Amino acid sequence: GAGVSQTPSNKVTEKGKYVELRCDPISGHTALYWYRQSLGQGPEFLIYFQGTGAADDSGLPNDRFFAVRPEGSVSTLKIQRTERGDSAVYLCASGQQGVDTQYFGPGTRLTVL
Amino acid sequence: GNSVTQMEGPVTLSEEAFLTINCTYTATGYPSLFWYVQYPGEGLQLLLKATKADDKGSNKGFEATYRKETTSFHLEKGSVQVSDSAVYFCALSYSGGSNYKLTFGKGTLLTVNP
Repeated sequence: GAGVSQTPSNKVTEKGKYVELRCDPISGHTALYWYRQSLGQGPEFLIYFQGTGAADDSGLPNDRFFAVRPEGSVSTLKIQRTERGDSAVYLCASGQQGVDTQYFGPGTRLTVL
Repeated sequence: GNSVTQMEGPVTLSEEAFLTINCTYTATGYPSLFWYVQYPGEGLQLLLKATKADDKGSNKGFEATYRKETTSFHLEKGSVQVSDSAVYFCALSYSGGSNYKLTFGKGTLLTVNP
């Protein structure tokens, strides 16, 4: 079946602009995670959804970052007033409820000029 | 807080060589431990996992044993192939309810030459 998909695969924007990154999880997966991977680093947790609600947003770096999952499937990560330090690969992962295995998408590479 | 420390890379080996990538962790309680792999141009994939002390995870010839006494989860393979060239990430998570958020190490780049 289809895996986790993320769009766009690449996004180049200018400092101060607003961006939206989309994640389509595996059908039926109720858990959805966003991570950020900076160059040369491992992925860092941003936010976790169980169904429609953000159950843990402790990894969001500041209030410029926000994510939604209105129907419990597709999720959108929104970044306002982008900064050059936001440049990274943003990864989405999904999983089944009660199971610790996560399935990752290919990521969106965000470049802020 | 929780953290994972991995052996610094890059690691370059010849085909059929023995591989060890060291991983140690700092955590309270008893986390689950994972190795994820990222092949060139692909997304992260789960390679193997272990959920309690002395468990051994294995897959594709790779093995790692959960050592609580040394807080380690070293990745090993007896004979690497060129196709094993990838970045390997050690990670941990807790089953805090249903939230299995992962804490990753920095990753180790492995290159296997023919």
